[in-house]
Amino acid sequence: KNEVEQSPQNLTAQEGEFITINCSYSVGISALHWLQQHPGGGIVSLFMLSSGKKKHGRLIATINIQEKHSSLHITASHPRDSAVYICAVRSYFGNEKLTFGTGTRLTIIP
Amino acid sequence: DTAVSQTPKYLVTQMGNDKSIKCEQNLGHDTMYWYKQDSKKFLKIMFSYNNKELIINETVPNRFSPKSPDKAHLNLHINSLELGDSAVYFCASSQRFDGGKLFFGSGTQLSVL
Repeated sequence: KNEVEQSPQNLTAQEGEFITINCSYSVGISALHWLQQHPGGGIVSLFMLSSGKKKHGRLIATINIQEKHSSLHITASHPRDSAVYICAVRSYFGNEKLTFGTGTRLTIIP
Repeated sequence: DTAVSQTPKYLVTQMGNDKSIKCEQNLGHDTMYWYKQDSKKFLKIMFSYNNKELIINETVPNRFSPKSPDKAHLNLHINSLELGDSAVYFCASSQRFDGGKLFFGSGTQLSVL
């Protein structure tokens, strides 16, 4: 079992819908990252958070440390949001390496 | 100006060859990384350097040798390439080793024939 699990693996939605992508992890962490990988392959860091909630434009990321769970929300989704969204956690113990989830492929239909 | 640049973008080569991928960051970050993304799009850390010092060396064959001549550069040299080395390799950097947002290069798609 992967230390970082994402759900759903694939998500197709209509333009304008509210999107939620979930990430659960099993280790103690110092930080959690949400990344976006465009269809062209480039990876962009969306958020890094260790508690609470962060917002950037139409994107909101939340984390619950006690429940070892994070969510990424997209409001008023748009076809340009179509991408793979990847959750990654930085372990609290050990060598601080990042462990990645398997990604959620999001497709927004116009 | 690209923050993290890696070259080449595509690399097609024969089994047994030796190849290098170069990475440079102009962000003034202390820490640089190499990640491998397999055919199922799963990302995995290979190496991490902090101020030119190797910090993380995951279970990677010793045919892979990173080199950091200064903290702005982290190159990856691969000897005796094998079919299983085919993947996309991403370079990344962060301000410090124990945290900070990640900035990724555009990736190098390596195909070993």
